Amino acid sequence: QVQLQESGPGLVRPSQTLSLTCTVSGGSITSGSFYWSWIRQSAGKGLEWIGRIYTSGTTTYKASLKSRVTISVDTSKNQFSLRLKSVTAADTAVYYCARVPSWSGFFGVWGKGTTVTVSA
Amino acid sequence: DIQMTQSPSTLSASVGDRVTITCRASQSISSWLAWYQQKPGKAPKLLIYTASTLESGVPSRFSGSGSGTEFTLTISSLQPDDFATYYCQQYNTYPTFGQGTKVEIK
Repeated sequence: QVQLQESGPGLVRPSQTLSLTCTVSGGSITSGSFYWSWIRQSAGKGLEWIGRIYTSGTTTYKASLKSRVTISVDTSKNQFSLRLKSVTAADTAVYYCARVPSWSGFFGVWGKGTTVTVSA
Repeated sequence: DIQMTQSPSTLSASVGDRVTITCRASQSISSWLAWYQQKPGKAPKLLIYTASTLESGVPSRFSGSGSGTEFTLTISSLQPDDFATYYCQQYNTYPTFGQGTKVEIK
């Protein structure tokens, strides 16, 4: 049973870079045919998809976040990561990583989520 | 972006009730729709995908229907564990979610 776990700082200063890692356990990140995604949830915007990566390194990002987001994968560590630069209070949210079957777009497996607060 | 609109925003119901939640898309998404259940402090859990396919392990009292722009999630007989917030999500294009429907105890 594949499990995902987010990790990273819970507090980020405004204008700095938010960095999170998702560790995949119970299976190889290269096994099967899946995209690996980041999603966030805030009181103001609800659930918001941020972007995804395939293990080949191919990425797709939400258009409105594209200029600030980088998603990368480290297959040797069975991890993928999110970097969001120039953060503001509007980026305060619970951040989730999730797995998506490559033939579809639904999120079949989710991490438990990690709360990130942007504040001075 | 495709906008997803759920109704109602809140639904009060009793154990044993039949419950229906509606999700409308701002343009046709064929059957590329999923439903999730979320409880406080937890990640969303996949219930249904491709509009009507029940995820493995999800009780059969949950069902989904619809295509194009209008979809429904039905709980045939509400159980105590079903009080939660439900979200629809389209994946015809880049994923977007509905704003959620909270099912609360009447």
